[in-house]
Order: sequence, then structure tokens, then C-alpha cells
Amino acid sequence: GQQLNQSPQSMFIQEGEDVSMNCTSSSIFNTWLWYKQDPGEGPVLLIALYKAGELTSNGRLTAQFGITRKDSFLNISASIPSDVGIYFCAGQPNTGNQFYFGTGTSLTVIP
Amino acid sequence: DAGITQSPRHKVTETGTPVTLRCHQTENHRYMYWYRQDPGHGLRLIHYSYGVKDTDKGEVSDGYSVSRSKTEDFLLTLESATSSQTSVYFCAISAKGGPYNEQFFGPGTRLTVL
Repeated sequence: GQQLNQSPQSMFIQEGEDVSMNCTSSSIFNTWLWYKQDPGEGPVLLIALYKAGELTSNGRLTAQFGITRKDSFLNISASIPSDVGIYFCAGQPNTGNQFYFGTGTSLTVIP
Repeated sequence: DAGITQSPRHKVTETGTPVTLRCHQTENHRYMYWYRQDPGHGLRLIHYSYGVKDTDKGEVSDGYSVSRSKTEDFLLTLESATSSQTSVYFCAISAKGGPYNEQFFGPGTRLTVL
């Protein structure tokens, strides 16, 4: 299957700091999704992106669909303790109904 | 929250026994998916369905079968469970299969095969 490279794998930051993470693929995608997963729960959709260059915000979260259509970025501003969790990217190519997922970025926020 | 439930939420079974996991949705969405989640691998697609009785394989379908006899229910069966199938299984739903597709996940089933 297609591989999505998500980085960094883990982050330890101070409360109030900004966070950036990204996801790259070897193929062009038409859709990028970003999810957050808390321990013992299913992933929760944060942001959906459908056009190259698109920039979409959800509160303190902002995600961008890369111009090359092979990457996407997620930024979290002014982090708070409840931002702790694992963040996943997912991409869907032009054909087919399948999504491919990154391996996740584990975020720890130190109060 | 998307109306997705999974049952059971936890199960421990022995190698060689059959296991069926159930996903139930109240959203009347056409597409349903089964994923497994393992450390270092992220979420990997097992099977998906694009309508009643219409299913297709994902990237890790060996050892699994699915059935969808009603829009709201999607069953995942391990015919003869193996220890390599110990994992957390997630069901997901979406209204569309093409562009402008958003997937919503259930709470997961933790399966342990001894």
C-alpha cells in the first residue's frame, strides 16, 4: 500500500508553545484529513482539505494542503494540556475509495 | 459525534477460534470500513463496503472476511483467529467514496488472541 511519512514521531513541548507537524506521500492525493486520537478511543476528525494550497482552521488548529498535492501540514497554536494525544494524517488518491494513514505524531504538553 | 457503535469493545479469545466483530451506524452512510491499528503501522484497511452486499478488500485482508446485509451493519469475521490478529479494530463510515469524503470512526474493539 501507499506509505505516508508523518513527522515528527513525537513531540514534547511546553504549554503555550506552537506545534507543527507534516505528512508527505509519494503519490498525489486529492483529499487530506487530520485526526486526533486519545488513548482508548477512536480517531476524531479535526480538519478536512480538498484543494491544493487550501488553508483551513479549526480553532487553534490550522492545516494546509500542499501545493504539490503530496504533502499536508498541521499547526497548533498556543498549546494547552488537552492537546495531548496522537495526531494522524490521512490521504486519499484520485482513484479508489481507500484512505492511507500516517503512523502518527505523539504530542505531549508539559504544563 | 457520528452514530457509530462497535461490539464487543474488548475480547480475548484463543488461537483457532472464530471471532465476529460488529459495527453499527445510525447515519445511513453508504460506505463502511474496517481498519486495524498496530504500533508502528498506523491504521491499515482490512475491507470496506460501498453498499449492501458490496464489499472490497483492503491492504491487509488475508484471514478476514466481511458481510453487509443491511445498510447499518458491517460485520468483520476472523474465521480462525491467530496471534498476529491481536490488534485494535476500528470501524469507520463515510457518506461518499470519492472527493469531499470524510471518514468518521467508531470507538474501537480491542482483540487479544492467545
